[in-house]
Amino acid sequence: GAGVSQSPSNKVTEKGKDVELRCDPISGHTALYWYRQSLGQGLEFLIYFQGNSAPDKSGLPSDRFSAERTGGSVSTLTIQRTQQEDSAVYLCASSLGGASSYEQYFGPGTRLTVT
Amino acid sequence: ILNVEQSPQSLHVQEGDSTNFTCSFPSSNFYALHWYRWETAKSPEALFVMTLNGDEKKKGRISATLNTKEGYSYLYIKGSQPEDSATYLCATTNFGNEKLTFGTGTRLTIIP
Repeated sequence: GAGVSQSPSNKVTEKGKDVELRCDPISGHTALYWYRQSLGQGLEFLIYFQGNSAPDKSGLPSDRFSAERTGGSVSTLTIQRTQQEDSAVYLCASSLGGASSYEQYFGPGTRLTVT
Repeated sequence: ILNVEQSPQSLHVQEGDSTNFTCSFPSSNFYALHWYRWETAKSPEALFVMTLNGDEKKKGRISATLNTKEGYSYLYIKGSQPEDSATYLCATTNFGNEKLTFGTGTRLTIIP
């Protein structure tokens, strides 16, 4: 079946602009995660959605970052007033349940470059 | 150990040789350990999820072990092939916390 998809695959934006990144999880997966990998860094957790529960936003680096998940499916990560340090590969993942026991299936990522 | 740490950071291995690398993690409050393979220009691919001390898992030429008491996991690759070239990531989850905490990965290059 279809895997996790993300769009756009690449995004170049000017400092100060807002960007929206989209994630389509695997159908039936209740959990959805956003991560990012900055140059030379490991994968960094950003936010986690599980079913109808309140999302775990503990990884969002600043209040310029927000995410929503509509209808328990598609998710959008929004970065307002982008800064150069926001340049990274943003990865979305979904799983059948929480990460404690279930494998996460990752999308191909969005490479964001802030100039 | 305060964070998830992986060693070595990078590794070059001759085709046909076997190799292994390490993931170390805080053992307190540990729940599960995940291994992923991330090839360039592709999505990270799940290899194993392990929870119990002494767990061993195998998928083809790749296997992994887990020691939760001392806080480490080994990933083994037997008879390395060029297609094994990738970054291998480990990540942990803790009780009551569903997020994955990743190490910085081991970049493996197989030399033909």
